Amino acid sequence: DQQVKQNSPSLSVQEGRISILNCDYTNSMFDYFLWYKKYPAEGPTFLISISSIKDKNEDGRFTVFLNKSAKHLSLHIVPSQPGDSAVYFCAARGGNQGGKLIFGQGTELSVKP
Amino acid sequence: DVKVTQSSRYLVKRTGEKVFLECVQDMDHENMFWYRQDPGLGLRLIYFSYDVKMKEKGDIPEGYSVSREKKERFSLILESASTNQTSMYLCATKGYQAGELFFGEGSRLTVL
Repeated sequence: DQQVKQNSPSLSVQEGRISILNCDYTNSMFDYFLWYKKYPAEGPTFLISISSIKDKNEDGRFTVFLNKSAKHLSLHIVPSQPGDSAVYFCAARGGNQGGKLIFGQGTELSVKP
Repeated sequence: DVKVTQSSRYLVKRTGEKVFLECVQDMDHENMFWYRQDPGLGLRLIYFSYDVKMKEKGDIPEGYSVSREKKERFSLILESASTNQTSMYLCATKGYQAGELFFGEGSRLTVL
């Protein structure tokens, strides 16, 4: 069963507008959530994270929101730029799993000039 | 900067061949991971290691084995490659911030 789900395989937005990427999870024991960004032919790179004890974390143009009651998190990118075009993976960490992360399926973001 | 180096970017192998994918990290990290990435399935954990000679199965270990003889090196082995193992393979190490993984550039394996 998929414990971390990204239900939108792709998203297209105009440059300068907001991009919102969504992620749902099923395991209430997850204690940390992360977003990774991946360009073609490169490995994923860490973007932003949030602890389960918080509901928001902001880093420049990127903000992650966590709604624990809904088991939902989202990544907001404002304003979106063409260089943000990539695949975004949501990931979650179980409390006692030695750093092991469980990833969602990914959402391909395309930011059009 | 953390550097995670995967030995081969692109490989083409035949069904039944033995395949070695090597990963080397330069940061003395203890935890290392092998994931595979497939369209629509995201990244799935194959095996991980939290110390030399220690290994744990991930979510999809069937058809794979691993070796960690030195702290900096973590190898993924396909004893007898099959076409359903055609994929992008990603090695990662765990840094010191909670949950943060550092990935190599990936090895794209095609099994014919």
